[in-house]
Amino acid sequence: KQEVTQIPAALSVPEGENLVLNCSFTDSAIYNLQWFRQDPGKGLTSLLLIQSSQREQTSGRLNASLDKSSGRSTLYIAASQPGDSATYLCAVSSPGDTGRRALTFGSGTRLQVQP
Amino acid sequence: DAGVIQSPRHEVTEMGQEVTLRCKPISGHDYLFWYRQTMMRGLELLIYFNNNVPIDDSGMPEDRFSAKMPNASFSTLKIQPSEPRDSAVYFCASSASGNTIYFGEGSWLTVV
Repeated sequence: KQEVTQIPAALSVPEGENLVLNCSFTDSAIYNLQWFRQDPGKGLTSLLLIQSSQREQTSGRLNASLDKSSGRSTLYIAASQPGDSATYLCAVSSPGDTGRRALTFGSGTRLQVQP
Repeated sequence: DAGVIQSPRHEVTEMGQEVTLRCKPISGHDYLFWYRQTMMRGLELLIYFNNNVPIDDSGMPEDRFSAKMPNASFSTLKIQPSEPRDSAVYFCASSASGNTIYFGEGSWLTVV
């Protein structure tokens, strides 16, 4: 059964700092990995999707990497801003117990960027 | 596109009442997912559909929960009878052929 772990659970940094969020998964047989952002009281917004054949994806100040063999992904945020404050979730799409596609979420990293 | 649309956004109901949550996926998407989020358990997949057909409902907690997708533009999640432990945020999400998943704003359910 796929398990997804995110470290740290919470992170507080001063504005302008570069930071890395970590995600690890137990089963390397994945279809893809997604990073999401969730603001309080809101739904999830997809940030980046990395297919299993890819090593990284970039969007603006965000860069996500994927190392399938080691079961790890990182989300790099450059020059953090107070508006980046949110919970960041990692989710892995992989064959579920029934052999069907399933998306397993980590518990998230709650990020606060101090002005 | 308006994105995934869920209703109601907030619902407070008494224990034992029937609750129906509604979802309109993004047009053209062939996958639809129902998730539940709580502080204790995080995000849990309840059920998902592909081309309106339920594929995996192993996450549905018990027989009190049921989901339908009568057509490509509408799905419901029903809880009958509701219990206080069902209080959570219920998210609907959709995707095209299993790629990027787009979430709705959620339905915040409180059962008292």
